[in-house]
Amino acid sequence: GAGVSQSPSNKVTEKGKDVELRCDPISGHTALYWYRQSLGQGLEFLIYFQGNSAPDKSGLPSDRFSAERTGGSVSTLTIQRTQQEDSAVYLCASSVGQHSNQPQHFGDGTRLSIL
Amino acid sequence: AQSVTQPDIHITVSEGASLELRCNYSYGATPYLFWYVQSPGQGLQLLLKYFSGDTLVQGIKGFEAEFKRSQSSFNLRKPSVHWSDAAEYFCAVGAGGYNKLIFGAGTRLAVHP
Repeated sequence: GAGVSQSPSNKVTEKGKDVELRCDPISGHTALYWYRQSLGQGLEFLIYFQGNSAPDKSGLPSDRFSAERTGGSVSTLTIQRTQQEDSAVYLCASSVGQHSNQPQHFGDGTRLSIL
Repeated sequence: AQSVTQPDIHITVSEGASLELRCNYSYGATPYLFWYVQSPGQGLQLLLKYFSGDTLVQGIKGFEAEFKRSQSSFNLRKPSVHWSDAAEYFCAVGAGGYNKLIFGAGTRLAVHP
């Protein structure tokens, strides 16, 4: 497809379970970003990838959160032992390069609900 | 630290009326500024961006924004709003040496017929 693809679009799981969220960036985009959008918190940066490496993980809220990117393309955000406060929309974005003047293109997000 | 403030949480306008959404930023260097729009259940779509040069920037869907360094502002405007413009609007600044976005809290726009 032409845009950033995220799956699943919705995920409902029980507290304590692990979840994996997937992001397929635009072909050829080397930079990939994860953001979290939750009520009352707005949009928060989580992690940034350039190629397969993650130079900035500063936004990950706890060690239950991790992300990887393989082959310079698909990325997976994993949340272990989910808590109710993890409920949010998780957005992925990609850009051609890492410079600040290169606009990010966003996927439609994964809406995560923790029961 | 970099920050973005959108003072208006909700704005309601009548269809055909003009619109201005406010955005103020805090950033030590020359900022890269963006406006995104989000419709319900969808991701963010880029409306326009400012990097340098002309301080009045034209975007998609008839939107424009003006960068005012003296006021640290980047307000979004549209001369005549359409019902389809109802959505949430986010102002963002590109922070640091790479493309990390700092977002404002967003302004939800409602359009009355």
